[in-house]
Amino acid sequence: EIVMTQSPATLSVSPGERATLSCRASQPLNSHLAWYQQKPGRAPRLLFYGASTRATGIPARFSASGSGTEFTLTIGSLQSEDFAVYYCQQYHAWPWTFGQGTKVENK
Amino acid sequence: QLQLQESGPGLVKPSETLSLTCSVSGGSIRSGTDYWGWVRQSPGKGLEWIGSLYFGGSPYYNPSLRSRVTISGDTSKNQFSLKLTSLTAADTAVYYCARPQPDSSGYYGAFDIWGRGTMVTVSS
Repeated sequence: EIVMTQSPATLSVSPGERATLSCRASQPLNSHLAWYQQKPGRAPRLLFYGASTRATGIPARFSASGSGTEFTLTIGSLQSEDFAVYYCQQYHAWPWTFGQGTKVENK
Repeated sequence: QLQLQESGPGLVKPSETLSLTCSVSGGSIRSGTDYWGWVRQSPGKGLEWIGSLYFGGSPYYNPSLRSRVTISGDTSKNQFSLKLTSLTAADTAVYYCARPQPDSSGYYGAFDIWGRGTMVTVSS
């Protein structure tokens, strides 16, 4: 099983600031990685797939990069609606696995 | 627009079997993807992939649940189902059905459409 490790667990950021989230895989993923945003009481929302392809309707302030085992999600200028938990997920190999999440909170 | 809706009991007793159904509307369960999936989230915890229905062959299951889980599809009703046996309190979670989309390399796995989720509590 591929283990996904996200860091940090919690990121305290002020609105307007930049947020950088990391995701590390225990094995190379060949870009088969997705990022999600989840708000309380809601289903996850797909942000990126293929490591860096923005999903439909995702604002340009969100960007993602990486390949192999190291991946990054960046929120360029944090808006109030961006405070949430963010998960990475690999779909390179069965079983598909998620990271434990990074909570982005208002500083 | 494709929509997914989970249905099933909100409360199940320990040792019993959970049966959930995901109804697909706005599109056919046999078009666009072959890997309809189930994901769960225990209270205050992260996301766990349970398994995926694969119309081209056998379903794929999380090894941690494989001995207890069955996922099947009913094309006549445009829905797919999850059965989880021998329930314990550890199975208490919000259960989501979701549709994965392919990326540019043709790999499926990024879930772009989700149901709202259904909370299942395992308790006597």
